[in-house]
Amino acid sequence: EVQLVESGGGLVQPGRSLKLSCAASGFTFSDYNMAWVRQAPTKGLEWVASISYGGSNTHYGDSVKGRFTISRDNAKSTLYLQMDSLRSEDTATYYCARHGGRGWFAYWGQGTLVTVSS
Amino acid sequence: DTVLTQSPALAVSPGERVSISCRASEGVNSYMHWYQQKPGQQPKLLIYKASNLASGVPARFSGSGSGTDFTLTIDPVEADDTATYFCQQSWNDPYTFGAGTKLELK
Repeated sequence: EVQLVESGGGLVQPGRSLKLSCAASGFTFSDYNMAWVRQAPTKGLEWVASISYGGSNTHYGDSVKGRFTISRDNAKSTLYLQMDSLRSEDTATYYCARHGGRGWFAYWGQGTLVTVSS
Repeated sequence: DTVLTQSPALAVSPGERVSISCRASEGVNSYMHWYQQKPGQQPKLLIYKASNLASGVPARFSGSGSGTDFTLTIDPVEADDTATYFCQQSWNDPYTFGAGTKLELK
């Protein structure tokens, strides 16, 4: 069974940094492209970033480009999201997702809540 | 960015057929996907590439369309289908989602 478990969320002040992790199990992690998708409270979904199965290719949404960095450790079956220069509008539940093919999200974690507030 | 437009809400009775639409501001080929999200839960993939049923999803769900107009159909609707349904495109950069259609049962 595919499992994705996010961690690292919490309350952080504007301008500070936070690093999210996603532990994957139930599949060969190094075979799949992975992604982060977020959802602001009572809002819709927004794709944040994706990374290729080997980690050499990354791709970001415009709202986080230059501030967030997606990475992975295939030996640990773990996906990361380093979030710098956080803003109030980054407040959201962040989901880790496994890509199913060109661009769709086949499996999702339960999410971790990030709140950016002073 | 490619804007995906969905109707905000629908209400249907159990046993009926419901169609949820998603219109793209520009062509997305067949790269339109559908998700179901129940309150307090993560989204779940229902349909990928317009018409392909995701693993484990009941055959009551189906998808159709190409280009700019797509439809998710549930037939027949069951009480457990109460949820918000999102479309998402992955043909154009960046990937974008619709705002969601909230399905309520009468």
